[in-house]
Amino acid sequence: DGGITQSPKYLFRKEGQNVTLSCEQNLNHDAMYWYRQDPGQGLRLIYYSQIVNDFQKGDIAEGYSVSREKKESFPLTVTSAQKNPTAFYLCASSTGGAVGYTFGSGTRLTVV
Amino acid sequence: AQSVTQPDIHITVSEGASLELRCNYSYGATPYLFWYVQSPGQGLQLLLKYFSGDTLVQGIKGFEAEFKRSQSSFNLRKPSVHWSDAAEYFCAVGEGNTPLVFGKGTRLSVIA
Repeated sequence: DGGITQSPKYLFRKEGQNVTLSCEQNLNHDAMYWYRQDPGQGLRLIYYSQIVNDFQKGDIAEGYSVSREKKESFPLTVTSAQKNPTAFYLCASSTGGAVGYTFGSGTRLTVV
Repeated sequence: AQSVTQPDIHITVSEGASLELRCNYSYGATPYLFWYVQSPGQGLQLLLKYFSGDTLVQGIKGFEAEFKRSQSSFNLRKPSVHWSDAAEYFCAVGEGNTPLVFGKGTRLSVIA
């Protein structure tokens, strides 16, 4: 079945370390997105990519980086520059346009 | 700038009672409108969407929503709530290829 896979589901890292969250989709979707979710704050856009080898910053891109070398994959790196990285991270994909997103099941990152 | 407001942070309803979750948006043109549902620790699932045409849209799990342009609203309704509907609900707005903007969510609790 087609879908979008985020791994790992839980991730623990020490403060000051970079960490990469995986997002893979087999839906043949052109567009992919990363959102951060904190309690009471809804979903905030980190980065998005509408085509391979191209991506744009969202509202809270500072301290994060992405790559889009393959259509299927859109990994997110949380760098040591991100001051408060502990959060729930959601990846989504779509065919472009406002047809709605398919979401992964999320990665909960805890920095200790 | 586009924005989405969900005025109710938390709503509690009795099982079998009707439900209405409010969503107001601020957008320049005719937007695309969505409602998503999220169970704890999971990704978001699309309930329904509005692009154009009939302003009353039907979704999955017995939910419906009505688009009211004059009120800039897209409220979600269900005539009889089940205990399994307890979750967090997000309203989202988009236009063209721009990323969706999400509200902060409404947490629904269902009591016996």
